[in-house]
This record gives sequence, structure tokens and C-alpha cells, in this order.
Amino acid sequence: QQQVKQSPQSLIVQKGGISIINCAYENTAFDYFPWYQQFPGKGPALLIAIRPDVSEKKEGRFTISFNKSAKQFSLHIMDSQPGDSATYFCAANNNNDMRFGAGTRLTVKP
Amino acid sequence: DTGVSQNPRHKITKRGQNVTFRCDPISEHNRLYWYRQTLGQGPEFLTYFQNEAQLEKSRLLSDRFSAERPKGSFSTLEIQRTEQGDSAMYLCASSLQGEKLFFGSGTQLSVL
Repeated sequence: QQQVKQSPQSLIVQKGGISIINCAYENTAFDYFPWYQQFPGKGPALLIAIRPDVSEKKEGRFTISFNKSAKQFSLHIMDSQPGDSATYFCAANNNNDMRFGAGTRLTVKP
Repeated sequence: DTGVSQNPRHKITKRGQNVTFRCDPISEHNRLYWYRQTLGQGPEFLTYFQNEAQLEKSRLLSDRFSAERPKGSFSTLEIQRTEQGDSAMYLCASSLQGEKLFFGSGTQLSVL
């Protein structure tokens, strides 16, 4: 049962553009929503995370928007750079049960 | 480098053989997690430890899978009688009493 649904599967963005990745969840008990970045041959690395009591969190070029009523959250990457090309995973956690989305492969073209 | 360390990085084995992977977490982290990742998918939770206690193992994929963390430091994941469907990346992560997980680079298992 996929508890976290992520879209799109792949995304191509021009350098300097905005990358937007969306996730939806079902379990309202989830209380922590991180985004992970993964490069080939490496494990996922935490990028940014949010709790459901806030609607937005920004760290540098990365912003999470969170809509609790719709059970959706998204990652926005501003001024996308070729070095941002990677696979991005959203996740949702409840009591040490972290569920991951299927991932979005982002390609930023120079 | 004081991150999560996993060995070996790659393992090729024949169907029916047993394999064991090792994970060394960040030294002060008391929680250790094992995940499996197949191509094109996100990590799938298998089991986790708090110190030496294995607090969740119902999500291990079958009774061929087992994990230990004998002294609350490093951990091992063993797969007995490997099958081709076990081919995947096995990831270890650690954390300090919270949700912020630090992943290792994984062990890529290929079962021939």
C-alpha cells in the first residue's frame, strides 16, 4: 500500500527555472515530512523538512509548501542549477515509520 | 569521514547463498534503521534498533531476513538462501532520537 504518492516521475527544467515536485499522503497520523536528495551511487541525504503546524518552510533555494487539509506538500527549487540534477524523494513519518514516495528524477539543463 | 558506513559496497552472490551486510552508524546515534531500495523506487523500511533493542521487525520481507545490533553500535543484516528477487540496494541509516535520518551509501546486492 503506497501511503505517499509522488509526482512527477521525472522532470526536466532549464537552468534558472523553478522545479516543483508534489506529494500526497493518506495517513493523518504522519507528523514529519522530509525531502531527501539522492545522487547515483549514494544514499539519500536530508534536504529540508516540515511539520504539519506550519504551511511553508524555506531554506536557501529550497521551499516546502504544506497543505494539511488537502494532505499534500510540495518542494520548490528556485533558480535550479545543473548540480541539482538528482532524484528527490518525499517522505512522511509517524513514530519511526518513515514512508517514502517513489521519487522524481530531476534534470536541470544548462 | 564520520558518516554512516556500509560494507561491502557491492555484493554479487549465487542464488541460495547467505549474505551479510554491515553498517556502522554515526557514533553518537542510538537509532539504526535498515531499508531496501529497488530501482526506480523509494527506500522501503525493513527494521530498526534503538541501542541494541530491535523495536520493529514485522516489516522484514521474510523469515530469511534477520538483523542484529549486538552492542548497540554496528549492525548486520543477513539474508539467508538468497533469491533473485532479493537483488536491491540495502541502505542503513542512523539518527539521534529523532526523525532526521542520515543514510549510508548502501550495499548493492546482485543475486545471480
